[in-house]
Amino acid sequence: DILMTQSPDSLAVSLGERATIHCKSSQSLLSSTFNKNSLAWYQQKPGQPPKLLIYWASNRESGVPDRFSGSGSGTDFTLTISSLQAEDVAVYYCQQYSQQYYPTPRPTFGQGTKVEIK
Amino acid sequence: QVQLVQSGGGVVQPGRSLRLSCEGSGFTFNSYVMHWVRQAPGKGLEWVAFIRYDGTDENYADSVKGRFTISRDNSKNTLYLQMNSLTAEDTAVYYCARGIGMALIFQHWGQGTLVSVSS
Repeated sequence: DILMTQSPDSLAVSLGERATIHCKSSQSLLSSTFNKNSLAWYQQKPGQPPKLLIYWASNRESGVPDRFSGSGSGTDFTLTISSLQAEDVAVYYCQQYSQQYYPTPRPTFGQGTKVEIK
Repeated sequence: QVQLVQSGGGVVQPGRSLRLSCEGSGFTFNSYVMHWVRQAPGKGLEWVAFIRYDGTDENYADSVKGRFTISRDNSKNTLYLQMNSLTAEDTAVYYCARGIGMALIFQHWGQGTLVSVSS
C-alpha cells in the first residue's frame, strides 16, 4: 500500500496568518491515465464527518473558501490556508487514490494534522 | 442537497454480526460509487470498502476482507455494510460516503455511526 506521511502532526497559527501542511507519499501519485495527481485533502472538525476540500491535488471542491489551496506533484503535496480563520480549527487529512492497484484500489490517508489558533 | 443518513451500529460482542445502513437522497443514487470509511476512537481514517454504482463490483481493505460485505439496493437508495466475526479492532465510527466518478474520492459523507465491539 502507498504510505502517506503528513507534517507537522500539529500546527498553531495566529488568526489571519498562513498555515501550511505537507503530505508525502511513498510512491508517485501522478496518474498516467488522467495526467493528474491522485491526491485529496479533507477537513474534519470535532464530532463531524470529514469534508472534502481539494481533489486532484489542486481542484477546490465547490463551496470551499478560496483561502484553501492545494499544490504539489509526484510525491510531495501541500495544503495552504492563506489566512487562518477561527472556523478553520480542525484536523486535516491527505488521501491518495492512485489507480496503480486498479481493479483492487487501495486508498490510504495520512495520519492527520491538527490546526489550532496560536 | 445531497444527504446520506446512516442507521445501525451500537454495542456488539466479539464474534457477533452487525449491519449498517446508509440511505441517500438529493442525488441519483444508482449513478454513484459508494464507500464505507471508518475511524477508530481518537485515530485517523481508514477506507473499508467500495461498491460500483450498479453493484457489479466491490472491493475491500485487507483488514475486513472475508468478514465484511458491502451491498446496495438501488430501488431503496440504500447502501449496506454487513459485518461478521467482529473483533475489538473493528470498534470505530463508520461513515458511508459518495464518490466522484470511479475515482476513490469521498465527496459527501454520512453522519457516522459508532460500532463498539466489547464483551
